[in-house]
Amino acid sequence: ELKVEQNPLFLSMQEGKNYTIYCNYSTTSDRLYWYRQDPGKSLESLFVLLSNGAVKQEGRLMASLDTKARLSTLHITAAVHDLSATYFCAVVTSGTYKYIFGTGTRLKVLA
Amino acid sequence: EAGVAQSPRYKIIEKRQSVAFWCNPISGHATLYWYQQILGQGPKLLIQFQNNGVVDDSQLPKDRFSAERLKGVDSTLKIQPAKLEDSAVYLCASSWVIRNQPQHFGDGTRLSIL
Repeated sequence: ELKVEQNPLFLSMQEGKNYTIYCNYSTTSDRLYWYRQDPGKSLESLFVLLSNGAVKQEGRLMASLDTKARLSTLHITAAVHDLSATYFCAVVTSGTYKYIFGTGTRLKVLA
Repeated sequence: EAGVAQSPRYKIIEKRQSVAFWCNPISGHATLYWYQQILGQGPKLLIQFQNNGVVDDSQLPKDRFSAERLKGVDSTLKIQPAKLEDSAVYLCASSWVIRNQPQHFGDGTRLSIL
């Protein structure tokens, strides 16, 4: 069964702290995406990771991909309240090109 | 550029009734997706179109769900008859044919089944 698992599922952190969200997947993948979803809103694309060792950074967020370990990380540096949202990774399977979203990580940054 | 448009934003129906959702993708996007997002979960792909053709509908409950994309632009998703477990947000997304481009999502339709 194809699985994309994220951990933690819930994360409450203080402003200014660093933390990492993990995305593990069970199949070979062409590429991996990270999305953000605010409550009651739709998904917004954050990063596209296309190859082993890829690293992308935007502001306080940095995403990386290890295709051999089937693992992607989303690292948060010096969190601020505006980063509070749910973060999803999505994997596209090699060959069949199926999109599979992870379980999501609900992040709450406390002032 | 204008985003992915979906309507209605909210819909409340009783079980066994039928319902339809509409999606207008970003101009020029050949690929269109319908997702079901149950509260607290990640989106689940229901169907993927490329232009008029279906690329993947393996997770579409075909006994009650149907979707079409006429002329390779707008799309409709229909549920008939609805069940309680269909309560969810239905998201439409579109993307360029170029493989590595991210999907652009609409605001979704929140469906409640009574």
